[in-house]
Amino acid sequence: KNEVEQSPQNLTAQEGEFITINCSYSVGISALHWLQQHPGGGIVSLFMLSSGKKKHGRLIATINIQEKHSSLHITASHPRDSAVYICAGAAGGTSYGKLTFGQGTILTVHP
Amino acid sequence: SQTIHQWPATLVQPVGSPLSLECTVEGTSNPNLYWYRQAAGRGLQLLFYSIGIDQISSEVPQNLSASRPQDRQFILSSKKLLLSDSGFYLCAWSVPGLRFPYEQYFGPGTRLTVT
Repeated sequence: KNEVEQSPQNLTAQEGEFITINCSYSVGISALHWLQQHPGGGIVSLFMLSSGKKKHGRLIATINIQEKHSSLHITASHPRDSAVYICAGAAGGTSYGKLTFGQGTILTVHP
Repeated sequence: SQTIHQWPATLVQPVGSPLSLECTVEGTSNPNLYWYRQAAGRGLQLLFYSIGIDQISSEVPQNLSASRPQDRQFILSSKKLLLSDSGFYLCAWSVPGLRFPYEQYFGPGTRLTVT
């Protein structure tokens, strides 16, 4: 069974701080998605990666395939970054892209 | 460009009543389609996925069912709702045939409250 463990569950930061959210996953998962969920519930896909590192603005996602670990970093955090961040693992082969989700990290950035 | 629609946005239904949530995708053909649910205080969970018309797989046993009557239409149904069916329902799609992994695109969601 594919599993995804995410930490921390809750994270509070002051504006400008560097933030890291971690995700560990089980054998069988070949790619990681990082998602952002806003208070209204809508979900936005931030990154999808199966190796290396990706950067978009102040967001950086890394994945270590050997250690089965991925991190999402936010540099110079801002109150508008407050949201729930979710990592989700995708199995390869004939899994048709089905995702297994972590529990999510509730991020609150104070001004 | 591709767009995914879900309706209704919110729904309040009594226990025992039927349910029909609809999801449609525009701008792509033969997408993989997914229904996810997020129960209160819990993470997202895959309920159903479909790789083609009338090709639907269930991931979690429950009183919900899914149908795909058209290529870009995915419907989530129930004959009799339970209190435990309350939650946030998300539809998503991905494009098959591309190199794995597949990017997934999420709809705006339906918030269902069963009373």
